[in-house]
Amino acid sequence: NAGVTQTPKFRVLKTGQSMTLLCAQDMNHEYMYWYRQDPGMGLRLIHYSVGEGTTAKGEVPDGYNVSRLKKQNFLLGLESAAPSQTSVYFCASSYSQRGTYEQYFGPGTRLTVT
Amino acid sequence: GENVEQHPSTLSVQEGDSAVIKCTYSDSASNYFPWYKQELGKRPQLIIDIRSNVGEKKDQRIAVTLNKTAKHFSLHITETQPEDSAVYFCGSGSGSARQLTFGSGTQLTVLP
Repeated sequence: NAGVTQTPKFRVLKTGQSMTLLCAQDMNHEYMYWYRQDPGMGLRLIHYSVGEGTTAKGEVPDGYNVSRLKKQNFLLGLESAAPSQTSVYFCASSYSQRGTYEQYFGPGTRLTVT
Repeated sequence: GENVEQHPSTLSVQEGDSAVIKCTYSDSASNYFPWYKQELGKRPQLIIDIRSNVGEKKDQRIAVTLNKTAKHFSLHITETQPEDSAVYFCGSGSGSARQLTFGSGTQLTVLP
């Protein structure tokens, strides 16, 4: 049981390049989330999904797109990277049932855009 | 949208003393309030949480209190130990997927 995993762990992009971050979970969770973490600003929600084939915008969605084609995977895409997207990206997942609210986080991806 | 404010941003205590971190939130619909601990270079991990129908919850040296009327909740750590040193984040959850809005974090340092 690996929990929540993220690929890659580190990445350096040039401005204008594109990339996709992959999040995978093996806990059969319905809900999945993407956050970014910047110094002094905590974690901010980018996009989230309540199930396969559904996605929704969070607090800071501009410049990002997501897809949830399979229940266990949640992809975050940057179509044209900008230096302002330099951050640590965390994926998380949780159950949908009432009474089980904990979000389990992945190890993070450190992205630098030059 | 929801706004969560967390204080203080840094906190230093002597080993064995207590530490208190406070958060306020703005959305009356919020009904879930977790606290996460994040060690340097690691992922956030849940240490305790509370639902809106409960005023207080305790787990060994950690406790959380919630005042829904005033829209604030607090984390209390007693008998602090050096391994408690980390960044602590409070969260406020609401919505169809219990989306979380986090505070900006508190760097807790426990001095030996």
